[in-house]
Amino acid sequence: DARVTQTPRHKVTEMGQEVTMRCQPILGHNTVFWYRQTMMQGLELLAYFRNRAPLDDSGMPKDRFSAEMPDATLATLKIQPSEPRDSAVYFCASGLGRQGQSNQPQHFGDGTRLSIL
Amino acid sequence: ELKVEQNPLFLSMQEGKNYTIYCNYSTTSDRLYWYRQDPGKSLESLFVLLSNGAVKQEGRLMASLDTKARLSTLHITAAVHDLSATYFCAVDHLPNSGYALNFGKGTSLLVTP
Repeated sequence: DARVTQTPRHKVTEMGQEVTMRCQPILGHNTVFWYRQTMMQGLELLAYFRNRAPLDDSGMPKDRFSAEMPDATLATLKIQPSEPRDSAVYFCASGLGRQGQSNQPQHFGDGTRLSIL
Repeated sequence: ELKVEQNPLFLSMQEGKNYTIYCNYSTTSDRLYWYRQDPGKSLESLFVLLSNGAVKQEGRLMASLDTKARLSTLHITAAVHDLSATYFCAVDHLPNSGYALNFGKGTSLLVTP
């Protein structure tokens, strides 16, 4: 089965360090999403791309977070500098469809479990 | 502000019993999604409901959508332990936004013998 692949699966680092999370969407999927999951806030949309173009990153703290898609097979989410409140599980998801045609579900990766000490 | 509210948030039920999880949302979206998440795992798609009155069933789970009431239900029939998980409903972040999703808080289901 085709899968969304995220690396690393786990990351522990100290406050102030740069963190880069990577996502390989399912081949052929044209839309990529980043979500963050915490106990307090649940699942939050951070940013998403269609055909590699950013469509919305309003859910992301702009001063420290950045999301890019250097090519169709790679999406990255960076945090610089990281803070303890960034500790969470970060999920990448990918899907098919153009605007208004969301009859297929998004497929989620296994997530990156991030701990900032 | 778009709100997606699930209830209950926690549910403990005995094997063999029936129960319904409710999902209310505040937008005019005509699409709704149900996902399952096991502890420490990813989200697995269960159902995509595309129109008013849509009903889908898979095994012991049945989901329905009433867009006029902005309500979806996930009905569990004769629960078994394997159904223990957290269930999320989600709607489009913005109408016709290309389906970036807003999720409910999730319903943690525990099925006991």
